[in-house]
Amino acid sequence: QVQLRESGPGLVKPSETLSLTCFVSGGSIANYYWSWIRQPPGKELEWIGFIYSSGSTEYNPSLKSRVTISVDTSKNQFSLKLSSVTAADTAMYYCARGKRGYSHGPFDYWGQGTLVTVSS
Amino acid sequence: DIQMTQSPSSLSASVGDRVTITCRASQAITDYLAWFQQKPGKVPKLLIFAASTLQSGVPSRFSGSGSGTDFTLTISSLQPEDVAIYYCHRYDSGPPTFGGGTKVEIK
Repeated sequence: QVQLRESGPGLVKPSETLSLTCFVSGGSIANYYWSWIRQPPGKELEWIGFIYSSGSTEYNPSLKSRVTISVDTSKNQFSLKLSSVTAADTAMYYCARGKRGYSHGPFDYWGQGTLVTVSS
Repeated sequence: DIQMTQSPSSLSASVGDRVTITCRASQAITDYLAWFQQKPGKVPKLLIFAASTLQSGVPSRFSGSGSGTDFTLTISSLQPEDVAIYYCHRYDSGPPTFGGGTKVEIK
């Protein structure tokens, strides 16, 4: 059974860089698209971007200037960096896997989510 | 971006009731529409993809329909374990977007 688990600091200071890692177990990271998705408190889900196992990426234009997603296939994990954070970046952050052959979804496996708060 | 309008935002129904949730896209998306369920503290779970294809392991009381701009998720007989928030999600092109969610409760 594939499982995803997000890990990273729960508190980030304004203007700093948010860094999260998604650990994938029970299956290989190869040949799939892996996405980051977030949900601010009381607001809608927002797709941040994806990375394919080969390293190709696509980001949401609304966040593109601040986002970097990378993959480490040897460790079966992928990571998110979001720079210059503000309070508006406070959200539950999820990692998810696209069904085989699909890039923007549907997402057949999700992590539990990790809450990141931006505050000084 | 293509916007997804989901309704109702919440509903309360009795066990055994038929429940219907709708999702409307601001532009046609053929059948690139998924539904997923999120229970409190649990991992989101994919229910339906390609508008009407049941994900493996999902109970048959869940069904999806629609194409183009209008889609429906139906629970044929609501069960206590179906209490959750349900979201639609379009994935025809980037960036994918989500509906606002429907909170389903038992009356």
